[in-house]
Amino acid sequence: EVQLVESGGGLVQPGGSLRLSCAASGFTVSSNYMSWVRQAPGKGLEWVSIIYSGGSTYYADSVKGRFTISRDNSKNTLYLQMNSLRAEDTAVYYCARVQYQPTEGFDYWGQGTLVTVSS
Amino acid sequence: AIQMTQSPSSLSASVGDRVTITCRASQGIRNDLGWYQQKPGKAPKLLMYAASSLQSGVPSRFSGSGSGTDFTLTISSLQPEDFATYYCLQDYNYPWTFGQGTKVEIK
Repeated sequence: EVQLVESGGGLVQPGGSLRLSCAASGFTVSSNYMSWVRQAPGKGLEWVSIIYSGGSTYYADSVKGRFTISRDNSKNTLYLQMNSLRAEDTAVYYCARVQYQPTEGFDYWGQGTLVTVSS
Repeated sequence: AIQMTQSPSSLSASVGDRVTITCRASQGIRNDLGWYQQKPGKAPKLLMYAASSLQSGVPSRFSGSGSGTDFTLTISSLQPEDFATYYCLQDYNYPWTFGQGTKVEIK
């Protein structure tokens, strides 16, 4: 059974850093396209980043240069390193698996982890 | 970045109604569009991909159409479990962008 479990969220001060983890089971992270999507409280969904099976990465303009997506193949885990955090980064962060190829949608999602950026 | 505009932002409907949600892209995106359903406190769920392909396990009352800039999601006969917020997502080019969402409420 495919499962994605995020962790690492919490309260952080503006300008601080946080690393989110997404532990996968039932499939191999490195063989799939994996992504992060976030949702600010009471707001809509915002795509954040993607990592290809080959290692290429892409980011939303709002996080480019501050966030880094990566994976640890030995742990079958996806990460999102978030630096220089701002209040507007406050959101629930979801990891999601791309179905087969980009353009085929996110078929599995984690339960989300809340990041709160506040002093 | 490509802008995705959904309409309406909310609607009220009754069980059994036919419901249509539209999504317009600021430039052509071929058929690289997905639809997601989200219920409060839950992760989104994939309904449609490639504009008109029904995701496995999704009821056939859901259908999608469109290509280029204009897309629709149709629920042929609204069921109680369909009351939720729906989002479109263009995965044509980066950065991928979601529509702002359409909340489907009970009339």
